Amino acid sequence: SAVISQKPSRDICQRGTSLTIQCQVDSQVTMMFWYRQQPGQSLTLIATANQGSEATYESGFVIDKFPISRPNLTFSTLTVSNMSPEDSSIYLCSVLGAAHRETQYFGPGTRLLVL
Amino acid sequence: SQELEQSPQSLIVQEGKNLTINCTSSKTLYGLYWYKQKYGEGLIFLMMLQKGGEEKSHEKITAKLDEKKQQSSLHITASQPSHAGIYLCGADIAGTYKYIFGTGTRLKVLA
Repeated sequence: SAVISQKPSRDICQRGTSLTIQCQVDSQVTMMFWYRQQPGQSLTLIATANQGSEATYESGFVIDKFPISRPNLTFSTLTVSNMSPEDSSIYLCSVLGAAHRETQYFGPGTRLLVL
Repeated sequence: SQELEQSPQSLIVQEGKNLTINCTSSKTLYGLYWYKQKYGEGLIFLMMLQKGGEEKSHEKITAKLDEKKQQSSLHITASQPSHAGIYLCGADIAGTYKYIFGTGTRLKVLA
C-alpha cells in the first residue's frame, strides 16, 4: 500500500484564521480524497482532489471554505478557511491503492483545534 | 441518504473473549471495507469484501459479507489489548470509489 504523510499532524488555531494541510504520497495515485472526522463522529467525505482540475465537492462543502489543490499525482493540500470552533476535527487524506484500486488507504490525519 | 449502521456503538470485553461487530446497509454495496482507528489517529485498512457470501481472515480477525451484500460482520477471536480501538466499516455505494462510513464501534479489551 502507498505510504501517506500529512503535515501538520496537529495544530491549534485562532478563530478567523486559515490553515493549509498537506498530503504527500510516496507513489503516483489517480484519486485522492479529503475527509473530516468531527469529535466522536465518523468520517465524512469533503471532496475528491482532481489532478489538473478543480476538486469535486460533496454536498455541504464548498470551495470557498475548503479550497483544495492537487498540482501533481503525489501531492494535495486542503485549506480550512476562516475557521470557527465548529471546524475542530481530524482531517484525513486518502488515496486509492495501486494494487487494489478499489481500496482507500488513509494518511495519519491532522488534528485541528480552533479556539 | 444512504447510511451504514454499526452495532454495537461500544464494546468492553475481557481479554481472551470473542466478539462480533456488525455493519448494515439498506442498499446493496459495491464494496465493504473494514478499518481500525487508534484514538485520534489515521485509519488502518483491515479487509475488503466485494462478493456476496465472501469471507476473509487475517490473524484473529474474520470478516464476512452476506449474500445480499447488505450486511457485514467482523469477528475477533481470543481478543487482546492490542485489538482495542475504533472499528469502522466503509462502503462504496455507487461504484464511484467514494466511501460512506459507519458510526464506528469503540472496542476496549481488559487485560
